[in-house]
Amino acid sequence: EVQLVQSGAEVKKPGESLKISCKDSGNRFSNSWIGWVRQMPGKGLEWMGMIYTGDSEIRYSPSFQGHVTISADKSLNIAYLHWSSLKASDTAMYYCARQWPSNIVGGFFDIWGQGTMVIVSS
Amino acid sequence: DIQMTQSPSSLSASVGDRVTITCRTSQSIDSHLNWYQQKPGKAPRLLIYDASSLQSGVPSRFSGGGSGTDFTLTISSLQPEDFATYFCQHSHSTPYSFGQGTKLEIK
Repeated sequence: EVQLVQSGAEVKKPGESLKISCKDSGNRFSNSWIGWVRQMPGKGLEWMGMIYTGDSEIRYSPSFQGHVTISADKSLNIAYLHWSSLKASDTAMYYCARQWPSNIVGGFFDIWGQGTMVIVSS
Repeated sequence: DIQMTQSPSSLSASVGDRVTITCRTSQSIDSHLNWYQQKPGKAPRLLIYDASSLQSGVPSRFSGGGSGTDFTLTISSLQPEDFATYFCQHSHSTPYSFGQGTKLEIK
């Protein structure tokens, strides 16, 4: 069974870098799309992008491209979301989720991580 | 990019009521529309995929309909555990996007 376990909450300062993780504990990471979703405090869900663990193809939302980097280590069954320079506006809950089936069209997020809270404050 | 318009943004209803939430897209997405439920402090949960397919384990009082640009999520008889926020999401082409959400509250 696929279960996604995310890294713990983070408190960082503006300008700092950060990488959060999403681990598949069910050992079925291969050939899956893993997506990242942002939820700012009290707000809705925003699709950030996703990575195909089979060949590391990445699709970004234009709203997030250039500000975050999505990556994955297939050997460790882990996906990552990385910021090189955080802003206060990055304060949010971040969820990873598995898309099924492994098609770029018509998939759905059937398994979600528990979320990682990121707080960016000086 | 495809724009999503979900309505209403909030809804007050009573246990036993039938409620419908709508989601409209800026262009046709065939049936590539999903619905999620989110409770406070929890990750979203998939309810409906491909516009009308019920995810395993989801009660049958939830149903989805529509195709093209207009979609609905209906709860046939509200239960206390259904009071939550609901989001639609398309997966027709990247970037995928979510609707703004509908907060369902107890009247």
